[in-house]
Amino acid sequence: QKEVEQNSGPLSVPEGAIASLNCTYSDRGSQSFFWYRQYSGKSPELIMSIYSNGDKEDGRFTAQLNKASQYVSLLIRDSQPSDSATYLCAVSGNNRKLIWGLGTSLAVNP
Amino acid sequence: DAGVTQSPTHLIKTRGQQVTLRCSPKSGHDTVSWYQQALGQGPQFIFQYYEEEERQRGNFPDRFSGHQFPNYSSELNVNALLLGDSALYLCASSRPGQADYGYTFGSGTRLTVV
Repeated sequence: QKEVEQNSGPLSVPEGAIASLNCTYSDRGSQSFFWYRQYSGKSPELIMSIYSNGDKEDGRFTAQLNKASQYVSLLIRDSQPSDSATYLCAVSGNNRKLIWGLGTSLAVNP
Repeated sequence: DAGVTQSPTHLIKTRGQQVTLRCSPKSGHDTVSWYQQALGQGPQFIFQYYEEEERQRGNFPDRFSGHQFPNYSSELNVNALLLGDSALYLCASSRPGQADYGYTFGSGTRLTVV
């Protein structure tokens, strides 16, 4: 079992729709959860972090964490073509070492 | 506020050679982590430096080594390059003690081994 799993996609949504990206992790001791966006050929960019169960909203982005189910998700409302990228889920524990998923490719179609 | 700076941006080396990549962390950050990202893959953790010492290491051979300087900048050295070392090498910095442990990444060094 991989430590952090994501569907590779591609996930395709129409412009204006809600994009839902999912991530599961295996280490129950994980404490910090991050979503990064990576455009092709570029470095990852932090877009959301979440540390406690529940929802965290920032503009069009909402991160959801359920530690009991070992599940973290990212919702993107009113998706725009500029949101088309690979979204990486990263998880860390006390040692601050990030464990990365392989990423989900998102395509927002005009 | 300067972000994370990496150099060089691109590099072509021959199999068997040695390479040194450099990273300057974001102002105020003192922890530097290095990642290797192959095409179509998520970043793979190489090692992390804090207080000039290697604190953690991923599953990479001893050919991969590093260093952190008193000004928190860091180097990644790879010896005896293999074709499979071709990848984007990312440096990320962070600051202990902050509630948000999110890392700031540099733009990376694209290494091609031929």
